[in-house]
Amino acid sequence: GQNIDQPTEMTATEGAIVQINCTYQTSGFNGLFWYQQHAGEAPTFLSYNVLDGLEEKGRFSSFLSRSKGYSYLLLKELQMKDSASYLCAVRWRSNDYKLSFGAGTTVTVRA
Amino acid sequence: DGGITQSPKYLFRKEGQNVTLSCEQNLNHDAMYWYRQDPGQGLRLIYYSQIVNDFQKGDIAEGYSVSREKKESFPLTVTSAQKNPTAFYLCASSIDRRQGRGRTGELFFGEGSRLTVL
Repeated sequence: GQNIDQPTEMTATEGAIVQINCTYQTSGFNGLFWYQQHAGEAPTFLSYNVLDGLEEKGRFSSFLSRSKGYSYLLLKELQMKDSASYLCAVRWRSNDYKLSFGAGTTVTVRA
Repeated sequence: DGGITQSPKYLFRKEGQNVTLSCEQNLNHDAMYWYRQDPGQGLRLIYYSQIVNDFQKGDIAEGYSVSREKKESFPLTVTSAQKNPTAFYLCASSIDRRQGRGRTGELFFGEGSRLTVL
């Protein structure tokens, strides 16, 4: 199958750091996306990784290890507005390049 | 501003009725998609279309139908054959999902339509 696994929920304090892990099947891998989705709203693009390494974009960074089938999204200096669901999505050549989504990780930021 | 517009935002339907959800984009994207989202589950692909007058079934197409008569429009009909239609439906588009490199597979989403069957 093409399972994508990520934790269901995480809680952190305002100003702290949280790391959301995502694991996936490596065969045919062709890129990984992270999206943010606030309750009842559309997902919005956060980051894209296709090569090994870290991509940094302000307070958010995303890391990829292709050989391990592993990615993480790092949220630094957490703010209350970061409370949302974070979706890991993978593109596989074997799936005709369509994106498959994990179930999402709900992050709750507390004061 | 370019974007994707879904309507209606909220819809209530009685059992046995068909309903059609509208999706319009002015991004000039070739590919369009319909996803369904249920609590605790990832987005699941219902139908997708790479080009006008062509579309393919996704992972959960049963009980749904689509059309792609214009590049800008990709309406989804939820038929009475769909056993559990209550869900949040998201329409999306991308430049070209087949490029297989770079961010061109990035999906741009509409605001979603929440369907409730009474």
